[in-house]
Amino acid sequence: DGGITQSPKYLFRKEGQNVTLSCEQNLNHDAMYWYRQDPGQGLRLIYYSQIVNDFQKGDIAEGYSVSREKKESFPLTVTSAQKNPTAFYLCASSIFGGDGYTFGSGTRLTVV
Amino acid sequence: AQTVTQSQPEMSVQEAETVTLSCTYDTSENNYYLFWYKQPPSRQMILVIRQEAYKQQNATENRFSVNFQKAAKSFSLKISDSQLGDTAMYFCAFMKPPYNNNDMRFGAGTRLTVKP
Repeated sequence: DGGITQSPKYLFRKEGQNVTLSCEQNLNHDAMYWYRQDPGQGLRLIYYSQIVNDFQKGDIAEGYSVSREKKESFPLTVTSAQKNPTAFYLCASSIFGGDGYTFGSGTRLTVV
Repeated sequence: AQTVTQSQPEMSVQEAETVTLSCTYDTSENNYYLFWYKQPPSRQMILVIRQEAYKQQNATENRFSVNFQKAAKSFSLKISDSQLGDTAMYFCAFMKPPYNNNDMRFGAGTRLTVKP
């Protein structure tokens, strides 16, 4: 079945460490996105990519980095520069147009 | 900037009854898309219904329907015959052209509880 796979489901990080969240899709979608979800704030866009080897900053890109070396993969690195990284992270993908997004099941990141 | 407002942080409804979730948005665009997403306790975001702004007819998907009022910039979701499985966070979302940016904006969400 086609879909988006995010891993791991839960991730714990010590302060000062970088961590990478995985996002893989087999939907042949061109565009991929990373969102952060905090209680009461809905979803906020971190980065998005419309094509391989290209990506754009979203509203809250500081402290995060991404890569898009393959169409299927869009990993997100949460760097030590992100001051408040504890959150739920959602990856999504889409074709171009108004069909909406397909989401992964998310990764819960906790800084310990 | 486009904004999406959901004014009801929490709502509850008795099983089998009908509930309406509100959403308003702000845009100067004439053509755009609106969406309702459901996020159950599993936290998987699921597309519930989609509306194209240039279509006057309100979208319907089984028990879910919308009341799209373009002039008022309102996009409410009606859930009929509520079921326990409808318990979830519901997010209203807006997407403006050019759609190749696929820049979707979300409201803060409404937590719906269906009571037995």
